[in-house]
Amino acid sequence: AQKVTQAQTEISVVEKEDVTLDCVYETRDTTYYLFWYKQPPSGELVFLIRRNSFDEQNEISGRYSWNFQKSTSSFNFTITASQVVDSAVYFCALRQKGAQKLVFGQGTRLTINP
Amino acid sequence: KAGVTQTPRYLIKTRGQQVTLSCSPISGHRSVSWYQQTPGQGLQFLFEYFSETQRNKGNFPGRFSGRQFSNSRSEMNVSTLELGDSALYLCASSSGSGDHNEQFFGPGTRLTVL
Repeated sequence: AQKVTQAQTEISVVEKEDVTLDCVYETRDTTYYLFWYKQPPSGELVFLIRRNSFDEQNEISGRYSWNFQKSTSSFNFTITASQVVDSAVYFCALRQKGAQKLVFGQGTRLTINP
Repeated sequence: KAGVTQTPRYLIKTRGQQVTLSCSPISGHRSVSWYQQTPGQGLQFLFEYFSETQRNKGNFPGRFSGRQFSNSRSEMNVSTLELGDSALYLCASSSGSGDHNEQFFGPGTRLTVL
């Protein structure tokens, strides 16, 4: 069975601090896909990144970076120099090869205080 | 391209009634997935439709059903509503073919059952 765990329920930091959101996953598949989504108060899930299981290269996009480590089954997300607009609930998700179904973690509510 | 649209955005029903929610995917996308989001259970997969056929189904009772039309628009129906069906229902669309595709979510329909 597939499972995603986001142990941090809520994180609160002051603006400009760096913050890391943890994601640990479980799967027996050798090929799978990992995602991060952002959910602002409006409710819509906004796609941030997709990572394939066979590509462990870390990725940076502006203030966002992702660290994928198969050895620890983790796919962590770091926001550098956080801003108030980063406040949202962030979800990590897992998808097996050949399927569209996403298995989500419970989400981490991130609050950036001015 | 226009994004995923869902109607209505808000619904209030009473126990025992039934409800139909609608989702229009991004133009050209053939896969539509539905998710239920509640504070207690988080984001859970309901079902996925591709080219008018249900391809995958989550662990929900038979009161939850869906369909997809030839233009890829999808509806989901919940019969004999229960208080526990109060949730945000999210629809996601993707090309549905191959593994290198992302799901894009609509704004959701917030259903309240009284």
